[in-house]
Amino acid sequence: NAGVTQTPKFQVLKTGQSMTLQCAQDMNHEYMSWYRQDPGMGLRLIHYSVGAGITDQGEVPNGYNVSRSTTEDFPLRLLSAAPSQTSVYFCASSYSGAPAGNTIYFGEGSWLTVV
Amino acid sequence: KNEVEQSPQNLTAQEGEFITINCSYSVGISALHWLQQHPGGGIVSLFMLSSGKKKHGRLIATINIQEKHSSLHITASHPRDSAVYICAVEVFQYGNKLVFGAGTILRVKS
Repeated sequence: NAGVTQTPKFQVLKTGQSMTLQCAQDMNHEYMSWYRQDPGMGLRLIHYSVGAGITDQGEVPNGYNVSRSTTEDFPLRLLSAAPSQTSVYFCASSYSGAPAGNTIYFGEGSWLTVV
Repeated sequence: KNEVEQSPQNLTAQEGEFITINCSYSVGISALHWLQQHPGGGIVSLFMLSSGKKKHGRLIATINIQEKHSSLHITASHPRDSAVYICAVEVFQYGNKLVFGAGTILRVKS
């Protein structure tokens, strides 16, 4: 049981490049989400999914895209990277919706720098 | 105004001290979570509370729903407790999505 696995751990991108942050969980969780963490601020929700085939926007969705083709995987795509997207990204999952009083499991984080 | 406020922002303690971290929120919630983040590391769930008090080892978490306030206590603190402690609430009006505090940076010196 690996929990929530995020890759890559570190990435440097040039402005305008695209990339995908991968997130996978092996706990059969319905709810998965992506957050970004910036200095002095709380984590902010980018996108979330309540099950395969269902995604929705969070607080800061602009510049990001997601899909949920399987229960296990929830990749986050940066369409055209901008310096403002320099941040630490966390994927999280929980057993059922939003997370409705269930324990939240986080990935190890992905440190992204856009130059 | 932030919907979740934590205090203090930074806290330095000597090993063995009793530590309290506070979380106040201004919205209706269905649950509150305390999380721990070690430097350069991931985030781990410590507690999920909807009422009362929970204890796990040297950690105690309490919540007062009427006062919209929660506290995380660490007894007999140790340098390995050094981390960022994050309060997060599930907000009714947002469909129980999480809103996070900015975190409290705790350093315990030996």
